[in-house]
Amino acid sequence: KAGVTQTPRYLIKTRGQQVTLSCSPISGHRSVSWYQQTPGQGLQFLFEYFSETQRNKGNFPGRFSGRQFSNSRSEMNVSTLELGDSALYLCASSFPSGRATNTGELFFGEGSRLTVL
Amino acid sequence: QKEVEQNSGPLSVPEGAIASLNCTYSDRGSQSFFWYRQYSGKSPELIMSIYSNGDKEDGRFTAQLNKASQYVSLLIRDSQPSDSATYLCAVNTQTTDSWGKLQFGAGTQVVVTP
Repeated sequence: KAGVTQTPRYLIKTRGQQVTLSCSPISGHRSVSWYQQTPGQGLQFLFEYFSETQRNKGNFPGRFSGRQFSNSRSEMNVSTLELGDSALYLCASSFPSGRATNTGELFFGEGSRLTVL
Repeated sequence: QKEVEQNSGPLSVPEGAIASLNCTYSDRGSQSFFWYRQYSGKSPELIMSIYSNGDKEDGRFTAQLNKASQYVSLLIRDSQPSDSATYLCAVNTQTTDSWGKLQFGAGTQVVVTP
């Protein structure tokens, strides 16, 4: 069974540019969450999607946005990049179809490492 | 005060010994608790989940939860060099409509020495 797939794995951008990151969840998983990981702040929640709807959003500026498609794949976008946006962006999937409730167990992809110059 | 607190370490453990990792959380309404292992340069990997008070064992790992004390721990028995990693404690502080929002601790670095 394939895991969570994130693309691209590495990317370098300059300040002011925008970036789109993609995530394909584990087959059958219906919920996708995004996290930012930096050495200083650790893992911080960005947002969560289920059934193409944003269920929750973390404390990040509006430059950070996302969406989920009908096949559960998700994208996140960061506009007007700042140096501080350099981080590892992690996508996690959960909530297998066929389950009535979600255990809350998240399964992470390998991440997209963004460097902003 | 951080919502989920862990000792940053490093926690040095001789090979074959027991590693004991601790985590405290501030939200009494927390329902779900997880331990993740993260190797350097890799993404977090789920190793244990626990939802009710008491112990839960899975192989060499035992998670312990005490909601009254707002405390969750992880024991690693017969520690191996391959257990050297950062261990992240994560807590779900909401009960509904937010399964994917976890509060993570800063992580405890474990170093298993041969």
